[in-house]
Amino acid sequence: GAGVSQSPSNKVTEKGKDVELRCDPISGHTALYWYRQSLGQGLEFLIYFQGNSAPDKSGLPSDRFSAERTGGSVSTLTIQRTQQEDSAVYLCASSNLEETQYFGPGTRLLVL
Amino acid sequence: DQQVKQNSPSLSVQEGRISILNCDYTNSMFDYFLWYKKYPAEGPTFLISISSIKDKNEDGRFTVFLNKSAKHLSLHIVPSQPGDSAVYFCAAKRIPGNQFYFGTGTSLTVIP
Repeated sequence: GAGVSQSPSNKVTEKGKDVELRCDPISGHTALYWYRQSLGQGLEFLIYFQGNSAPDKSGLPSDRFSAERTGGSVSTLTIQRTQQEDSAVYLCASSNLEETQYFGPGTRLLVL
Repeated sequence: DQQVKQNSPSLSVQEGRISILNCDYTNSMFDYFLWYKKYPAEGPTFLISISSIKDKNEDGRFTVFLNKSAKHLSLHIVPSQPGDSAVYFCAAKRIPGNQFYFGTGTSLTVIP
């Protein structure tokens, strides 16, 4: 079946603009994660959705970051008033078990 | 605070030899560990995992070893192949729990 897809694959924006990143998880997966990877860094956890439960937002770096998951499927990560330090690869992963995640190809965000 | 550490950013190995990738963690509450492999411009893909009740898990050419007392795990690839050239991330989590903690990755190059 289809894997996790993310769009856009690349995004260049100007400092101060808002961006929206989309994730389509694997059909039937109840858990969805957002991570980001800055240059030379590991994967940094941002937010986690599980079914209809309240999301775990403990990894969001500031209130400029938000995410939603509509209908238990597609998720959108929104970054408001982007800053240059937001430049990174944003990765989405989905899972139907606690143990294993399946990652999308990522969105490469560059804030000028 | 980096709870999962991969202290070797890169490793080069001759084809046919063994590749050993190392990972250390600081949180003794972690009880599930995973290795992911990442090619350029792609998301990480799950490779192999181990729970804390085991000290070894093998899958074909890949074996993961866990030393709980040392808070150390390693991934052995035997024999190494050029297609194994990628960045390898280790990750850890508590079960139950939402959050995966990733290392910064080790870039493996297998020389033909």
